[in-house]
Amino acid sequence: SQKIEQNSEALNIQEGKTATLTCNYTNYSPAYLQWYRQDPGRGPVFLLLIRENEKEKRKERLKVTFDTTLKQSLFHITASQPADSATYLCALVRSSNTGKLIFGQGTTLQVKP
Amino acid sequence: DAGVIQSPRHEVTEMGQEVTLRCKPISGHNSLFWYRQTMMRGLELLIYFNNNVPIDDSGMPEDRFSAKMPNASFSTLKIQPSEPRDSAVYFCASGQPNSPLHFGNGTRLTVT
Repeated sequence: SQKIEQNSEALNIQEGKTATLTCNYTNYSPAYLQWYRQDPGRGPVFLLLIRENEKEKRKERLKVTFDTTLKQSLFHITASQPADSATYLCALVRSSNTGKLIFGQGTTLQVKP
Repeated sequence: DAGVIQSPRHEVTEMGQEVTLRCKPISGHNSLFWYRQTMMRGLELLIYFNNNVPIDDSGMPEDRFSAKMPNASFSTLKIQPSEPRDSAVYFCASGQPNSPLHFGNGTRLTVT
């Protein structure tokens, strides 16, 4: 069956360090992958999109990599801040024809001052 | 732009009652998605529409669930009859095909 796996344990890091979150998938050949941020009591908010033919995408302090051989995406937040504390979700679209977006369970990041 | 608007924000109902959740997508968006989120199962896709037409409802748990999109600016998700295991946060999201989704802030449903 198709699976999207993210670290279920919370990630705790010190302010100023780089946070790295992992998204692994099986039985997919995704057309593209997205990362979202979710705060308590709110809906997910889009952060970055990376396509299957792209290796890396950056936006300010955020960086996403996409390795279709390893079936893995890494999400990095550099110079982390307490305001970055949230749950981060990865999501895959299997086929660009359908636009059907499937989410992982998310990883909670806690940045301590 | 007010974003995706969902109502009600919270719903508490008794088992067996009918529940209707509402969603107003962002104007101009052609795709609309309904998701359900629980601690155990995360964010699950229930159904999605393109141009008001249901494309994939394979995530709808059972016949008690139904969704409609009578026009481009309104969608409903109905549960009849509701059961305690339906308790979750239900999200509506809209977007253009193959573009990022914009989520509402969800409806927290509690069925007692």
